[in-house]
Amino acid sequence: AQSVAQPEDQVNVAEGNPLTVKCTYSVSGNPYLFWYVQYPNRGLQFLLKYITGDNLVKGSYGFEAEFNKSQTSFHLKKPSALVSDSALYFCAVPTGTYKYIFGTGTRLKVLA
Amino acid sequence: GAGVSQSPSNKVTEKGKDVELRCDPISGHTALYWYRQSLGQGLEFLIYFQGNSAPDKSGLPSDRFSAERTGGSVSTLTIQRTQQEDSAVYLCASRERQAFNQPQHFGDGTRLSIL
Repeated sequence: AQSVAQPEDQVNVAEGNPLTVKCTYSVSGNPYLFWYVQYPNRGLQFLLKYITGDNLVKGSYGFEAEFNKSQTSFHLKKPSALVSDSALYFCAVPTGTYKYIFGTGTRLKVLA
Repeated sequence: GAGVSQSPSNKVTEKGKDVELRCDPISGHTALYWYRQSLGQGLEFLIYFQGNSAPDKSGLPSDRFSAERTGGSVSTLTIQRTQQEDSAVYLCASRERQAFNQPQHFGDGTRLSIL
């Protein structure tokens, strides 16, 4: 069965420092992988996706993610964190023909 | 362009009342999803529509929950005889077509509070 795991409930990082939000996956076949961000009192917003091709995927707001097949990971990264990046981050993977499985979410707090 | 619209944005009601939550997807999006999110936690899948059909209702928590979609567009999630455990944020998402390489587009949700 397909699954994703976000091992950290919360990540704290100082403004200007690089950030990483972790996601590991378990899928059969070639994975499709997504990252979404949720700001307070808002719905989820799509950040980036991996379908095939380059292992480094660039997305919105300066975020990028690295697909690592050997480690079955798809970690979200940003070279320099902003206070405004503080939010809840979800990775997701499709399962079956229409359903998605979302991770439990990682709360990112960027400290000024 | 217009995104996914949900109404009401907030709903407070007494235990035992019925509530209707509305979702207006992006025009032309054939796939529509309802999720439930409790207190900023993860997403719980409720139901999926492809067009007006709901091939998977397995996520609906009980028979008090029902949903419909008309004209391949607007969807309504109805909760009858609400209970306090129904308090949550109900999110709707739509997707362009039946293709997993397309992201879902989410509305801002309806925050439901049962007194």
